Amino acid sequence: QLQLQESGPGLVKPSETLSLACTVSGGSIRSSSQYWGWIRQPPGKGLEWIGSVYYSGVTYYNASLESRVTISLDTSKNEFFLKLNSVTAAETAVYYCATWGMTMGIVWGQGTLVIVSS
Amino acid sequence: DIQMTQSPSSLSASVGDKVTIACRASQTITTYLNWYQQKPGKAPKLLIFAASSLQSGVPSRFSGSGYGTDFTLTISSLQPEDFATYYCQQSYHTLVSFGGGTKVEIK
Repeated sequence: QLQLQESGPGLVKPSETLSLACTVSGGSIRSSSQYWGWIRQPPGKGLEWIGSVYYSGVTYYNASLESRVTISLDTSKNEFFLKLNSVTAAETAVYYCATWGMTMGIVWGQGTLVIVSS
Repeated sequence: DIQMTQSPSSLSASVGDKVTIACRASQTITTYLNWYQQKPGKAPKLLIFAASSLQSGVPSRFSGSGYGTDFTLTISSLQPEDFATYYCQQSYHTLVSFGGGTKVEIK
């Protein structure tokens, strides 16, 4: 059964870089039928797609974040990563790693709360 | 980018009621539309994929319909455990997008 698990700091200072990793088990990120990506949800608000990466390394980003975000993958470790630069307090949120394909719904990690505060 | 619009943003209903939630895409997405249920403190749970296919383990009181730009999630008889927030999501485009959510509350 495909499972995803986020890891990384739960507290980041304003203007610094948020870095998270997602470990995949029960499946391979080399799959050509799936995208791997990140979704966030500020407290009490809706879901926002951040971006995704294909097994080939091609990336797709939310236009509103594109200048500050990098998503990458390490196929040898079956992991993928999020880096978001110059964060602000408004980016305090639960960050989910996830995978999906055109004909399948999203498989979610459990989510990790990242607080942006000094 | 494809914009997804859900309505209503919230509704109040009683146990046993039939509930309908609408989702509209800004351009055609054929049937690449999924529905999720989210409860507080939990990740969203997939209910319906490909507009009308029921995810394994999801009760049959949930159903989805639609094609192109207009879609509907229906709960035929609302149960106490169904009070939650529901989101639609398009997977037609590589740039994923979600509806704003519909919170279903107890009347």
